[in-house]
Amino acid sequence: EAQVTQNPRYLITVTGKKLTVTCSQNMNHEYMSWYRQDPGLGLRQIYYSMNVEVTDKGDVPEGYKVSRKEKRNFPLILESPSPNQTSLYFCASTGAGTSHNEQFFGPGTRLTVL
Amino acid sequence: QKEVEQNSGPLSVPEGAIASLNCTYSDRVSQSFFWYRQYSGKSPELIMSIYSNGDKEDGRFTAQLNKASQYVSLLIRDSQPSDSATYLCAVINSGGSNYKLTFGKGTLLTVNP
Repeated sequence: EAQVTQNPRYLITVTGKKLTVTCSQNMNHEYMSWYRQDPGLGLRQIYYSMNVEVTDKGDVPEGYKVSRKEKRNFPLILESPSPNQTSLYFCASTGAGTSHNEQFFGPGTRLTVL
Repeated sequence: QKEVEQNSGPLSVPEGAIASLNCTYSDRVSQSFFWYRQYSGKSPELIMSIYSNGDKEDGRFTAQLNKASQYVSLLIRDSQPSDSATYLCAVINSGGSNYKLTFGKGTLLTVNP
């Protein structure tokens, strides 16, 4: 089954404790992206990757890091989480083989930083 | 900053009615337009894409695009309670990545039985 997976789905942590949210896709997509969604602000792109070892900042990159060492994986790293990073996070992927650049979204990770 | 604007709603319609959702965008040369449906706490799901001026129909859904007015809309005919969700308009802007989506903030639709 074609899918994007994220782990963990739910995470409660404390300020300053480094964490990683994993994202994996099995569709051989070149493009992967991370979004955060906050009430009243909609979905905003954090980082994206056009392919292995190619990453770039989105609209709200501060406080986040990413890496793309393998085509299928695109982890999101919070080196020192703060309460303003409490949000719902989505990973998405797409590629040249999709219909009309449709982006496939993961199920989401709800992060709470205390 | 290239923007996508939607009425935040909530929009409430009775079952069986037509729901009309609207979206405007600021980048005049945007080429690709999408409507996503998102149930509370779930991930966005693509329901319509449109690239040319005019109407595109898929079942009960019709997307309408007017590039001169920088306006895209979604009509849902014979609305059902299961259509109750937030509808997100998204645009691929000119320049940068061919895949980068800019989202509106979404319109909450409630269909009343």
